[in-house]
Amino acid sequence: NAGVMQNPRHLVRRRGQEARLRCSPMKGHSHVYWYRQLPEEGLKFMVYLQKENIIDESGMPKERFSAEFPKEGPSILRIQQVVRGDSAAYFCASSPSGPGGELFFGEGSRLTVL
Amino acid sequence: GDSVTQMEGPVTLSEEAFLTINCTYTATGYPSLFWYVQYPGEGLQLLLKATKADDKGSNKGFEATYRKETTSFHLEKGSVQVSDSAVYFCALKANFGNEKLTFGTGTRLTIIP
Repeated sequence: NAGVMQNPRHLVRRRGQEARLRCSPMKGHSHVYWYRQLPEEGLKFMVYLQKENIIDESGMPKERFSAEFPKEGPSILRIQQVVRGDSAAYFCASSPSGPGGELFFGEGSRLTVL
Repeated sequence: GDSVTQMEGPVTLSEEAFLTINCTYTATGYPSLFWYVQYPGEGLQLLLKATKADDKGSNKGFEATYRKETTSFHLEKGSVQVSDSAVYFCALKANFGNEKLTFGTGTRLTIIP
C-alpha cells in the first residue's frame, strides 16, 4: 500500500509565478491535511479537506493561497503570485476517517522562491 | 491558543547514551499528545502517542508519559542507536473538532558511533 505521495519534491519559482503542489492520499483515505514548515519553525496547520469539501481553512493565508480535493485526483495546494516568504516545506497528511484517525504524512514538497 | 514547546537542537549523543527530548504544551481541555519522527528523506511517522493524563506511550524503545501537572510529554530512550538519528516533533491535538495537530519546532538528533 503506497504511502502519501507528494509532488513535486522540489519546486523553484520566481516571484510572481504560481506554484501548484499535489498530494495523493493513501488508498482509502478521504481526509487530507496541508501543513507548512517555515525555516527553523514547526509545522503549521493550513487546511483540512474531505473529498470536494473544505472543512477547516483557518490556517490558510487569506490571499493567494487555495486548496482543493476533487472527487477524482489528488489534492492541490495552489499559491498564486508567490513571494520569497512562501519558501517553505509543504507537508500533506491523510487519514482514513474522522476524529481519532491517525495522520499519515508525505515526504513534503520544498518550495523555493527566487 | 494551543502551543507546543520542545527542546531546541541539534542534539548529538554517542551510541548507547540515554536520550531525553523535552516537550511542554499549552492547551485548553485535555489534548492528545504525540511524538512524530522524520528520518532523512522521508515523511513524518507517528512514533508514539498518549490520549489522557498519566498514559505512557511507547514504541521502538522510546517512551513518553503524559504529565498533566507539569503539562509535559518528554521523550526518552535508554540506549540510542545510530539508526535513531532523525528529527523528532512533539505535537498535540485538541480532543474536539477535527484532527488538526499543533507541532513543536522539531529537534534534530544525531547519534555518533
